[in-house]
Amino acid sequence: GQQVMQIPQYQHVQEGEDFTTYCNSSTTLSNIQWYKQRPGGHPVFLIQLVKSGEVKKQKRLTFQFGEAKKNSSLHITATQTTDVGTYFCASTGFQKLVFGTGTRLLVSP
Amino acid sequence: SQTIHQWPATLVQPVGSPLSLECTVEGTSNPNLYWYRQAAGRGLQLLFYSVGIGQISSEVPQNLSASRPQDRQFILSSKKLLLSDSGFYLCAWSPGTSSGNTIYFGEGSWLTVV
Repeated sequence: GQQVMQIPQYQHVQEGEDFTTYCNSSTTLSNIQWYKQRPGGHPVFLIQLVKSGEVKKQKRLTFQFGEAKKNSSLHITATQTTDVGTYFCASTGFQKLVFGTGTRLLVSP
Repeated sequence: SQTIHQWPATLVQPVGSPLSLECTVEGTSNPNLYWYRQAAGRGLQLLFYSVGIGQISSEVPQNLSASRPQDRQFILSSKKLLLSDSGFYLCAWSPGTSSGNTIYFGEGSWLTVV
């Protein structure tokens, strides 16, 4: 079945440093979605990318979809303590969403 | 607007006891419904999904089962819980049957099997 891997599993940064998480698939993805889960909370949708090479920005967050549609990245510029949480990528197969393994981000003030 | 409700929020159950988690969605019709499980500090594992009443697809063999008695109701059950069933259970929905739809999660249910 479809599998989506994320790296790193965990990253601890100082506030103000940048952060990037990568999502990789062995198969071509129809689209990629990104979710954020705060500690103790439920995942919340951030964004969806559909086109090859697509780049989208949300304030300090930059999302990219690879040219071959097999990988994606989420980059946070100048992290803040509010960025703490686990970031998941996900891709849709037929009628269902398959999540990546997630990257847990810890930001120290 | 659409809302999703999931209960109970937390529960502690002994090994071998039954389980019933309920989820309802409001403000939409014929949603896709999902049950995910998340072990502590781990990723999201899809357990079941449903595209209509009485239509359940199971992703992982286990001692859990799911039912969809009504269009917007999704129930996760077990006859006998195992220690390994402990985790954070998330109900979710997405609109329609097209791929690429955003998934909206409920608040989740923390299950501890003792």
